[in-house]
Amino acid sequence: QVQLQESGPGLVKPSETLSLTCTVSGGSIGSYYWSWIRQPPGKGLEWIGYIYYSGSTNYNPSLKSRVTISVDTSNNQFSLKLSSVTAADTAVYYCAREVSTGNTDPYFDYWGQGTLVTVSS
Amino acid sequence: EIVLTQSPGTLSLSPGERATLSCRASQSVSSSNLAWYQQRPGQAPRLLIYGASTRATGIPDRFSGSVSGTDFTLTISRLEPEDFAVFYCQQFGSSYTFGQGTKVEIK
Repeated sequence: QVQLQESGPGLVKPSETLSLTCTVSGGSIGSYYWSWIRQPPGKGLEWIGYIYYSGSTNYNPSLKSRVTISVDTSNNQFSLKLSSVTAADTAVYYCAREVSTGNTDPYFDYWGQGTLVTVSS
Repeated sequence: EIVLTQSPGTLSLSPGERATLSCRASQSVSSSNLAWYQQRPGQAPRLLIYGASTRATGIPDRFSGSVSGTDFTLTISRLEPEDFAVFYCQQFGSSYTFGQGTKVEIK
């Protein structure tokens, strides 16, 4: 059974960089797309971006200037960096696996439990 | 950016009733690229439907999805107590987006 676990600081100061890591267990990070998705308290879901295991990325245009997603295949992990954060970046951050092959329509099948990151001084 | 507009915002129904949730896209979305998720309080979203109408593994057949043009529909034929939650549609275009969600609450 594939499991995803987010880790990182729960509190980040304004203007600093938010950094999170997602560790994948029970399966390989290879051959899949891996996304970060966030949800402000009481609000809906926002896709941040994805990385393919090979390293190619795609980011939400509204966040692109501040986002970097990287992958570490040797440790079965991928990471998110979001720079110049403000209170508007306070949210539960989820990592998720996307199944997207030529044989099936795409979908997010496995999600982490989510981690709350608060931006405050 | 493709905007997905879900309606209604809240649906108040009783167990056993039928729920019909709508998701309208601001521009053309391939039916292959539309999924539905359920989110219960304090939990991560759970995949229900992908490809607009294919149920995910383990999802009961009371959940079904359909499409007509740019209008996508999630139907729950008979609500069970565990179905009361928030539902999101999501599209896999060049940039992924989610609808704002429909809350199905107990009447």
